[in-house]
Amino acid sequence: DVKVTQSSRYLVKRTGEKVFLECVQDMDHENMFWYRQDPGLGLRLIYFSYDVKMKEKGDIPEGYSVSREKKERFSLILESASTNQTSMYLCASSSPSGLAGADTQYFGPGTRLTVL
Amino acid sequence: GQNIDQPTEMTATEGAIVQINCTYQTSGFNGLFWYQQHAGEAPTFLSYNVLDGLEEKGRFSSFLSRSKGYSYLLLKELQMKDSASYLCAVREDSNYQLIWGAGTKLIIKP
Repeated sequence: DVKVTQSSRYLVKRTGEKVFLECVQDMDHENMFWYRQDPGLGLRLIYFSYDVKMKEKGDIPEGYSVSREKKERFSLILESASTNQTSMYLCASSSPSGLAGADTQYFGPGTRLTVL
Repeated sequence: GQNIDQPTEMTATEGAIVQINCTYQTSGFNGLFWYQQHAGEAPTFLSYNVLDGLEEKGRFSSFLSRSKGYSYLLLKELQMKDSASYLCAVREDSNYQLIWGAGTKLIIKP
């Protein structure tokens, strides 16, 4: 089974703090994604990566950065957290050779971040 | 522009059948996914359609009509554990990104 893990389930930070969210997958997937999920808005893509050290902006990259130094690990960084970044953050991974269907995404458990 | 529409909420009775619709308007099409998400948990993959027709997988089936920009997820013999949100997502082209609907919250009553 695909396993995607995230560093924290719940996180509380203060405005202006630098926040690191980590994601690790154990299936040797090439692609990794960071989303945020807010009520009524669905999943919105922040950044994704299709290879080590490669990154692409998604729909809402402002205020975020990412790092992918190893294939299995994809980090999301909030340089200076703000209250409007309070959300559920979901990490996912996929592979073009996935058995269930090309590029099926598998999700981690999510991190609920609250910025005070 | 890109748009995926799903009903916000549906209610059904345990043991019954429910159909959750998804319509999409995208510049391209290269596959449609359905995911299930229980409250407070991550989405889990249910089905994938890239060709027209019905894909059956146990109690769940998913249908696609590319010409109509339409899909549905059919859940049979509903169980209380099927209470969850169901997310529809479309891949527009050969890149890796998906466009997500806001999800349909399904409430199952005894």
